[in-house]
Amino acid sequence: DAKTTQPNSMESNEEEPVHLPCNHSTISGTDYIHWYRQLPSQGPEYVIHGLTSNVNNRMASLAIAEDRKSSTLILHRATLRDAAVYYCILSQEGAGSYQLTFGKGTKLSVIP
Amino acid sequence: DTGVSQNPRHKITKRGQNVTFRCDPISEHNRLYWYRQTLGQGPEFLTYFQNEAQLEKSRLLSDRFSAERPKGSFSTLEIQRTEQGDSAMYLCASSSPGLAGGLTGELFFGEGSRLTVL
Repeated sequence: DAKTTQPNSMESNEEEPVHLPCNHSTISGTDYIHWYRQLPSQGPEYVIHGLTSNVNNRMASLAIAEDRKSSTLILHRATLRDAAVYYCILSQEGAGSYQLTFGKGTKLSVIP
Repeated sequence: DTGVSQNPRHKITKRGQNVTFRCDPISEHNRLYWYRQTLGQGPEFLTYFQNEAQLEKSRLLSDRFSAERPKGSFSTLEIQRTEQGDSAMYLCASSSPGLAGGLTGELFFGEGSRLTVL
């Protein structure tokens, strides 16, 4: 399985942009990049996913490096509600497996 | 509430007892997943159902664990002869197929069932 590497923790000030990095140097051509987040005492919540092109949705943006060996989740304006553990996950299309392999993620703290 | 529902939310049991958790997925989702999460770790995949068929099982799913989805709707996860190492949050998720038919569909997780084995 392709692995991802994320910083253990990050801090951000409220109302400022946050860039959460993820390295996936062994990514294969059919691996999708997924981001989920988990607020305290809740199940994980989908944030965004992409394959090659940058993606935007109402929650965040996903910037994917041209060589796809890294990606960045961008929260445009952090709020206190964004304090959570953020997981960067790879999944392989058509590999016959439907599991997502979560690592330990990045714990984001938002400072008021 | 039309999200994924899990019951019970908390279960405390003595070692050696059997426990069962129930998951009600989002009604139109044909895919259902079970994950386990221990403190400080990310969720770990246990098993996957497509409709009523159990198509994938992790090696973590020992013979004391059994999961069913008899009519392709709700699912149950039973743990027999519980051990202290089974203490964890058991998470259920559901999804519809992604655009490519694979895993690119968004997974919707429930709030989990927390098991404490004394």
